[in-house]
Amino acid sequence: EAQVTQNPRYLITVTGKKLTVTCSQNMNHEYMSWYRQDPGLGLRQIYYSMNVEVTDKGDVPEGYKVSRKEKRNFPLILESPSPNQTSLYFCASGERLWPEQYFGPGTRLTVT
Amino acid sequence: AQKITQTQPGMFVQEKEAVTLDCTYDTSDQSYGLFWYKQPSSGEMIFLIYQGSYDEQNATEGRYSLNFQKARKSANLVISASQLGDSAMYFCAMREGSEYGNKLVFGAGTILRVKS
Repeated sequence: EAQVTQNPRYLITVTGKKLTVTCSQNMNHEYMSWYRQDPGLGLRQIYYSMNVEVTDKGDVPEGYKVSRKEKRNFPLILESPSPNQTSLYFCASGERLWPEQYFGPGTRLTVT
Repeated sequence: AQKITQTQPGMFVQEKEAVTLDCTYDTSDQSYGLFWYKQPSSGEMIFLIYQGSYDEQNATEGRYSLNFQKARKSANLVISASQLGDSAMYFCAMREGSEYGNKLVFGAGTILRVKS
């Protein structure tokens, strides 16, 4: 089954404790991206990757890191999480950005 | 200035009727694309429809059509024959730039409720 998986689905952590949210796709897609969703703001792009070892910033990259060492994986790293990073995070992939991306199920992160 | 504006925070529609969800955008690029995504209460994001700025015809996908008015910079989503399962949050989004433009900007969303 074609899918994008994210782990964990739910995470509660404390300020400053490094964490990684994994994202994996099995569709051999070149384009992958991370978004955060906050009420009233819609989704905002954090980082995207056009291929292995090629990543670029979206609109809200501060406080996040990514890497793309393999085509299928695109982990999101929060080296020192803060409460303002409490959000719902989505990973997505596609042949390219359009016409469509396939989204993962989301990761709800709470930083206390 | 916001690049994507969805002016309707919430909408109601009667089952089997058509509904239009508004989206206006702001860009100075000639090449761009507009998307609509659906997010049901379960939380997943579902792609609905895409319109490129150079596409001559309005995009359609089943009961979904995108009313693209380039001069007005609007890209409204029309859902025909609404169903109860259409109740969800709907997001308009835009990509800018050339073929290699890979950033995506979303609007704040519109919650649609279909009444039986």
